[in-house]
Amino acid sequence: EAQVTQNPRYLITVTGKKLTVTCSQNMNHEYMSWYRQDPGLGLRQIYYSMNVEVTDKGDVPEGYKVSRKEKRNFPLILESPSPNQTSLYFCASSIGGAVNEQFFGPGTRLTVL
Amino acid sequence: QQPVQSPQAVILREGEDAVINCSSSKALYSVHWYRQKHGEAPVFLMILLKGGEQKGHEKISASFNEKKQQSSLYLTASQLSYSGTYFCGTGIAGNMLTFGGGTRLMVKP
Repeated sequence: EAQVTQNPRYLITVTGKKLTVTCSQNMNHEYMSWYRQDPGLGLRQIYYSMNVEVTDKGDVPEGYKVSRKEKRNFPLILESPSPNQTSLYFCASSIGGAVNEQFFGPGTRLTVL
Repeated sequence: QQPVQSPQAVILREGEDAVINCSSSKALYSVHWYRQKHGEAPVFLMILLKGGEQKGHEKISASFNEKKQQSSLYLTASQLSYSGTYFCGTGIAGNMLTFGGGTRLMVKP
């Protein structure tokens, strides 16, 4: 089944404790992206990647890191999480680029205490 | 800067029509529409590209006014399954997408 998977789905952590949210897709898509969703603010793009070893900042990259060492994986890293990073995070992928249909993962709900 | 969506919320009866608008202050290359049901991930509806090309849903239509940097999503003869939050995303250049705050649509029997 073609899909985007994220792990973990739910995470409660404390300020300053490094964490990684994994994202993997099995559709051989070149483009992958991370978004955060907050009430009233919609989806805000954090980082995106056009291919292996190619990443670019989105609208809200501060406090986040990403890497794209393999085409199928695009982990989101929070080196020192803070409470304002409490949010619902979505990973998405598409073939070719952002001008094509994006397939979203199920989301990761992160709470930073 | 995020595009502005209007209305923020709308309630319909089954069979009624609705229009959701999306407006940007920047020149757009593409407009993307997604629907998200409560507790689920966003799902693709449509993409409209500068120059008139459209990719997407058979039963939902949209327009893209490049000069005004606006797009509208038309939901006709709404069904209960249309309920959810609709997001427009705007592409300016490259592969960055900026989404609006969403429009909550509720269809009642």
